[in-house]
Amino acid sequence: GAGVSQSPRYKVAKRGQDVALRCDPISGHVSLFWYQQALGQGPEFLTYFQNEAQLDKSGLPSDRFFAERPEGSVSTLKIQRTQQEDSAVYLCASSLAGRVNQPQHFGDGTRLSIL
Amino acid sequence: RKEVEQDPGPFNVPEGATVAFNCTYSNSASQSFFWYRQDCRKEPKLLMSVYSSGNEDGRFTAQLNRASQYISLLIRDSKLSDSATYLCAVIPTNNAGNMLTFGGGTRLMVKP
Repeated sequence: GAGVSQSPRYKVAKRGQDVALRCDPISGHVSLFWYQQALGQGPEFLTYFQNEAQLDKSGLPSDRFFAERPEGSVSTLKIQRTQQEDSAVYLCASSLAGRVNQPQHFGDGTRLSIL
Repeated sequence: RKEVEQDPGPFNVPEGATVAFNCTYSNSASQSFFWYRQDCRKEPKLLMSVYSSGNEDGRFTAQLNRASQYISLLIRDSKLSDSATYLCAVIPTNNAGNMLTFGGGTRLMVKP
């Protein structure tokens, strides 16, 4: 069956440009998470959706970061006026329901490089 | 102090060796624990959940020590294909969204 799908796989942008990263979760998965992973580090939480509701955005590093999931399925993470420190792998994960012991399944990630 | 800490390694072991990693967490109320495996330039993949009673899956054994606030992963009879970064992840109980807090990962290199 299809896993979590992210696009693009790689994105190179110039500093100051806006970027949009897409996540298509596993069908039927209610919960969707975005994480940021810097080189040599573990993933760090950015934001969380349950269906279309963004229940937690406490991990977003600045107001340049914005995420949406308007129909409760596909999600987009947008970064405005990109900075070099935004360079990282952006991982999306989904899980079946919002219960504590539900495992999260990750997509391949989008590797973002800001020049 | 980070919420979840791991020795970054690398752990260099010969094929067939037994190797163990620990991961410490700071939130004593944490209830859910996981080990993920991440290959170079790939996404994290769930290796196993860690239950209070401990659990085993083939060559892999995970244990939880609540008193000392750490989880462990034991790999027996290491294979070359076990070379990867092992991430521990924790969900604190006061975390309504069930987002994972990861350690920095422990790198394992199994050599012939």
